[in-house]
Amino acid sequence: DAGVTQSPTHLIKTRGQQVTLRCSPKSGHDTVSWYQQALGQGPQFIFQYYEEEERQRGNFPDRFSGHQFPNYSSELNVNALLLGDSALYLCASSLEGVLQETQYFGPGTRLLVL
Amino acid sequence: DQQVKQNSPSLSVQEGRISILNCDYTNSMFDYFLWYKKYPAEGPTFLISISSIKDKNEDGRFTVFLNKSAKHLSLHIVPSQPGDSAVYFCAAVLSGTYKYIFGTGTRLKVLA
Repeated sequence: DAGVTQSPTHLIKTRGQQVTLRCSPKSGHDTVSWYQQALGQGPQFIFQYYEEEERQRGNFPDRFSGHQFPNYSSELNVNALLLGDSALYLCASSLEGVLQETQYFGPGTRLLVL
Repeated sequence: DQQVKQNSPSLSVQEGRISILNCDYTNSMFDYFLWYKKYPAEGPTFLISISSIKDKNEDGRFTVFLNKSAKHLSLHIVPSQPGDSAVYFCAAVLSGTYKYIFGTGTRLKVLA
């Protein structure tokens, strides 16, 4: 049973470019959350998707957008990249209605913006 | 505004001794707290949690204590093992929301 998978593992972009990160949730999970972890910081909540809709958002600008597909996989898109967007991007999946502690994290995508 | 704080960036403990990791929070409306462990090149792994209606939860070598009046929680690991060496994050959840608010982490090193 595969856990949460993310692709790519690493990515290098330049300022102003756009990037798309992908996440496949753990089998049976229907909810996907995205977090940004800057160096030396804890993960920060970007948004959560359930039933193909964004249902909660953290303090991130509209340059950050996402999508959830019918198979529950998800994408995170970041437009007009800034140097400060360099971070580890974590995807977490869970099953709606189950205790919050069952949020499973993927290994992350490390994004470097030059 | 850092609502969840881990003021010790690192901690070293001898194998077999107790490790105590601390976490403070500012929002009294948090109703659920969790500890995650993170190894390099891996995502955070859930360790243990506690509801705000409790003051202690135990799971094997791991115990979490919650002091609501002080807005403080701690994770005790007894006995500590070298495999426990990792970064530990505490996180809090507001009732009715879906986001975890994480602290900045404490790097634990257990010395053999």
